[in-house]
Amino acid sequence: IAGITQAPTSQILAAGRRMTLRCTQDMRHNAMYWYRQDLGLGLRLIHYSNTAGTTGKGEVPDGYSVSRANTDDFPLTLASAVPSQTSVYFCASSVQRDSPLHFGNGTRLTVT
Amino acid sequence: QQPVQSPQAVILREGEDAVINCSSSKALYSVHWYRQKHGEAPVFLMILLKGGEQMRHEKISASFNEKKQQSSLYLTASQLSYSGTYFCQGRGGADGLTFGKGTHLIIQP
Repeated sequence: IAGITQAPTSQILAAGRRMTLRCTQDMRHNAMYWYRQDLGLGLRLIHYSNTAGTTGKGEVPDGYSVSRANTDDFPLTLASAVPSQTSVYFCASSVQRDSPLHFGNGTRLTVT
Repeated sequence: QQPVQSPQAVILREGEDAVINCSSSKALYSVHWYRQKHGEAPVFLMILLKGGEQMRHEKISASFNEKKQQSSLYLTASQLSYSGTYFCQGRGGADGLTFGKGTHLIIQP
């Protein structure tokens, strides 16, 4: 079934550790996005990529990095996790920048 | 800059109507609406384009007033399955990938 796969589903991480959240889509969408969702704050954009090889910063990029080596994969890396990065992370993709977003099922990350 | 949604929460009886508003301080060329059920990912509902017609998804319709930079979502004869959090996303200019904080909709039998 075509869609977006995120891994892991959930993770408990010690502060200071490095972590990469994986996101893969098989829809050949050009654009991909990472959002974090926190209670009362809605969905906030971390980083985005309009096409393979390009990335851009969203509303809350600090402490996160991304890469887009190919069309399908868009990993999100936390270089040194902090408790404020505890959140649910959603990866999304769209045919192009102005198209509707398709979301993955999310990764619940707890930083202790 | 985030679009502003109102109200923050709505509690309805099954069969009642509701309106959710989304306002932006910047010019928009489209508005996207999503619904998220508890514990699930957001799901796209509909897109409203500048100069376009009112859109409909089941008994949910939406309008877009580009002069006021405002969109409204109309839920008619609400069903239990409509419960969830509704998000708008205003598209305009170089960014426009930000969501409103959401409106929580609870439908009671």
